[in-house]
Amino acid sequence: DSGVTQTPKHLITATGQRVTLRCSPRSGDLSVYWYQQSLDQGLQFLIQYYNGEERAKGNILERFSAQQFPDLHSELNLSSLELGDSALYFCASSASGDTHAAAFFGQGTRLTVV
Amino acid sequence: ILNVEQSPQSLHVQEGDSTNFTCSFPSSNFYALHWYRWETAKSPEALFVMTLNGDEKKKGRISATLNTKEGYSYLYIKGSQPEDSATYLCAPPYGQNFVFGPGTRLSVLP
Repeated sequence: DSGVTQTPKHLITATGQRVTLRCSPRSGDLSVYWYQQSLDQGLQFLIQYYNGEERAKGNILERFSAQQFPDLHSELNLSSLELGDSALYFCASSASGDTHAAAFFGQGTRLTVV
Repeated sequence: ILNVEQSPQSLHVQEGDSTNFTCSFPSSNFYALHWYRWETAKSPEALFVMTLNGDEKKKGRISATLNTKEGYSYLYIKGSQPEDSATYLCAPPYGQNFVFGPGTRLSVLP
């Protein structure tokens, strides 16, 4: 158990809908990362937050947004969903958010858009 | 976008064999390099964080070396066991963040 909690584990929704994925980092970790793994693709970095502030942005679509709250949990909002958004979404956390700190991954949320 | 290469893409070895794989990355602006193990139906798990040229880390039968000047890292597994079957990902730095390579998928046959 990495200490990172993601909910829900599975989500099935229709095209055009909006969903929210939730992540609780390890106790004491200030940084949260979001990654997407589509079929036959590697882990694609979406966005990083550190202590409530956006720190880095990757290949995140404009239809997607995220935030980190004062209690350090994070939410990834996906809107106007398309079939191609079906993927496994991972959240990871690290203590400092810099590249010297290992990231600890949650179990992921599997999103299926039908 | 950072170009990270891992080779081979996949590997099948017999139990007891030793093996190694490579991660190649641009050598400029180096901050750190991570190795992760990702077992099927689980989440990636950190193996090593390497920060110095010439760094060598070891965890049980698994070890890794780093050459930042030439932009590569090797991961070695001595005496592979079936439980070593997983995808091994390297993650070199990109700005203040890091990005994951495509991985090497290792299958250890009993």
